Amino acid sequence: EPEVTQTPSHQVTQMGQEVILRCVPISNHLYFYWYRQILGQKVEFLVSFYNNEISEKSEIFDDQFSVERPDGSNFTLKIRSTKLEDSAMYFCASSGSRNTEAFFGQGTRLTVV
Amino acid sequence: AQSVTQPDIHITVSEGASLELRCNYSYGATPYLFWYVQSPGQGLQLLLKYFSGDTLVQGIKGFEAEFKRSQSSFNLRKPSVHWSDAAEYFCAVVPSGAGSYQLTFGKGTKLSVIP
Repeated sequence: EPEVTQTPSHQVTQMGQEVILRCVPISNHLYFYWYRQILGQKVEFLVSFYNNEISEKSEIFDDQFSVERPDGSNFTLKIRSTKLEDSAMYFCASSGSRNTEAFFGQGTRLTVV
Repeated sequence: AQSVTQPDIHITVSEGASLELRCNYSYGATPYLFWYVQSPGQGLQLLLKYFSGDTLVQGIKGFEAEFKRSQSSFNLRKPSVHWSDAAEYFCAVVPSGAGSYQLTFGKGTKLSVIP
């Protein structure tokens, strides 16, 4: 069964460092998303990406964040200068169209120290 | 702004007992509705979805959910819970039709199962 894969599963970084979280969406999907879940809180939308550009982003997705689809398979989330409050589980998701369900990866747990 | 309410933070049931997890949403029009499950240390797995049509939808692992427009609810049910169902369950909505595809999640209900 096709699945969304994320690497790494856990990343520890020092405050102020740049991190790149990687995702391989399901191969024939066209819509890509990042969500995050701070420990003990709800899952929150960050950004959606379609046709090689951001289609929506939330207030959380400020200038420190960027997304890229560098090739035909990967979808990355970059945090330019990490803060302690960026510590969270980050989920990548993809969907085949707007009107179908999103499939989520296993998540990357980011710990900023 | 749309919102999703899961009023029960934690529910404990005995194995073999029935289960109902509540979900209410606040949105101008009927959204698309989803239930996801998250096992410890795992990602979000889709249990079932409602887009339109029959208001009782069947999902994986023996789960079902009923959409009630009059109550703005989409409660998840299972007739007989298994120990492996212990996990956190999230209700989520997305606006139907054109426009935004941001999933809005509830805070989740943690399910514990007593053997």
